[in-house]
Amino acid sequence: AQTVTQSQPEMSVQEAETVTLSCTYDTSESDYYLFWYKQPPSRQMILVIRQEAYKQQNATENRFSVNFQKAAKSFSLKISDSQLGDAAMYFCAYRSAAGSYQLTFGKGTKLSVIP
Amino acid sequence: SAVISQKPSRDICQRGTSLTIQCQVDSQVTMMFWYRQQPGQSLTLIATANQGSEATYESGFVIDKFPISRPNLTFSTLTVSNMSPEDSSIYLCSVDLRAVYTEAFFGQGTRLTVV
Repeated sequence: AQTVTQSQPEMSVQEAETVTLSCTYDTSESDYYLFWYKQPPSRQMILVIRQEAYKQQNATENRFSVNFQKAAKSFSLKISDSQLGDAAMYFCAYRSAAGSYQLTFGKGTKLSVIP
Repeated sequence: SAVISQKPSRDICQRGTSLTIQCQVDSQVTMMFWYRQQPGQSLTLIATANQGSEATYESGFVIDKFPISRPNLTFSTLTVSNMSPEDSSIYLCSVDLRAVYTEAFFGQGTRLTVV
């Protein structure tokens, strides 16, 4: 079974600064997808960024980028120019490329943004 | 993307009663998922619901406690039966649009409090 580990229960960042959230995972599969989801107090799960395991290039979405290290099974999220609206719970998630779309989530990191 | 309407958004229920949560999607989807998020915790998959077949439950979840219906390709319900305070959680439905997207989409969640 796959496992996802987020070792930082809470993080804080000054507005306009950069923060990196860590995620490691364990799998025996070679083809899979990794995601970062954001959950603000509204409870809505919002996709931040996705990474296909077969792609060597790190995914980027505006101020959000990942550092995907497949051999090390590491998938960290970097948020640049942090904004107050970035404050939320961030969940790292794993999905197999085969079978169903069920996700395995990490325990989450609560990000606070300090004005 | 998919628009998912989940009802109710929140409820406070007496122990021993049951609550049915509805999930309506604006497009036909093959697979729907129900997750539980206990207070301050990550998301845990309860079951996978395919239209026209019995739901598949994860370890620790049973049909008598969490019966699921999937009458068509756009709708599903999750019932939390004989509730106890330990059932107080956020319940989220999620859908699979694998023909178009790699990521899962989520409803806005139902916050259940059992008193």
